[in-house]
Amino acid sequence: AQKVTQAQTEISVVEKEDVTLDCVYETRDTTYYLFWYKQPPSGELVFLIRRNSFDEQNEISGRYSWNFQKSTSSFNFTITASQVVDSAVYFCALKAGGSQGNLIFGKGTKLSVKP
Amino acid sequence: DAGVTQSPTHLIKTRGQHVTLRCSPISGHKSVSWYQQVLGQGPQFIFQYYEKEERGRGNFPDRFSARQFPNYSSELNVNALLLGDSALYLCASSVRGARNEQYFGPGTRLTVT
Repeated sequence: AQKVTQAQTEISVVEKEDVTLDCVYETRDTTYYLFWYKQPPSGELVFLIRRNSFDEQNEISGRYSWNFQKSTSSFNFTITASQVVDSAVYFCALKAGGSQGNLIFGKGTKLSVKP
Repeated sequence: DAGVTQSPTHLIKTRGQHVTLRCSPISGHKSVSWYQQVLGQGPQFIFQYYEKEERGRGNFPDRFSARQFPNYSSELNVNALLLGDSALYLCASSVRGARNEQYFGPGTRLTVT
């Protein structure tokens, strides 16, 4: 079975705090892809990052960083110096099972950044 | 370049009716996927089409159907609407299959009364 678990339903921080969003995945496939998406109140899912299962190198993009650890089946997302504009629902997603495509999403973490 | 577009933005239907949702992918993208997002949940996969052929189907009843046209746009059809079909319907496009990043449209908010 393939599954994505985002245990944090809601997180509230004050601006400039660092925040980490957790993602744990389950799959028996050796080749898979992990994604993070942001969904602001407007509703449109915004692509943030894709990692494949063979690349465990962590990635940093501005204030965003991702920590991929196969040993713990986790793909966590950290926002440094959070800003009010970061307020949104963040989804972690898994794609496995060959070339036919579908993403399996977690339930999402709602992040509220207060000024 | 234009992103993924969907129409209509909002829709209100009555139980038992039929609905058609439309999606235009990003230029050059040949794969379109449809997802249903119920309030408070993550999106759930409904269909994927690539080069006009169905390549994947999620766990949805036969009341849900879709197709992809020669210009790679797509339609999602839902028959005999139920209250539980009320959701945000998202369309996503990618260059090929879903191992490529999928880019999502703004969605169609369907309300069934």
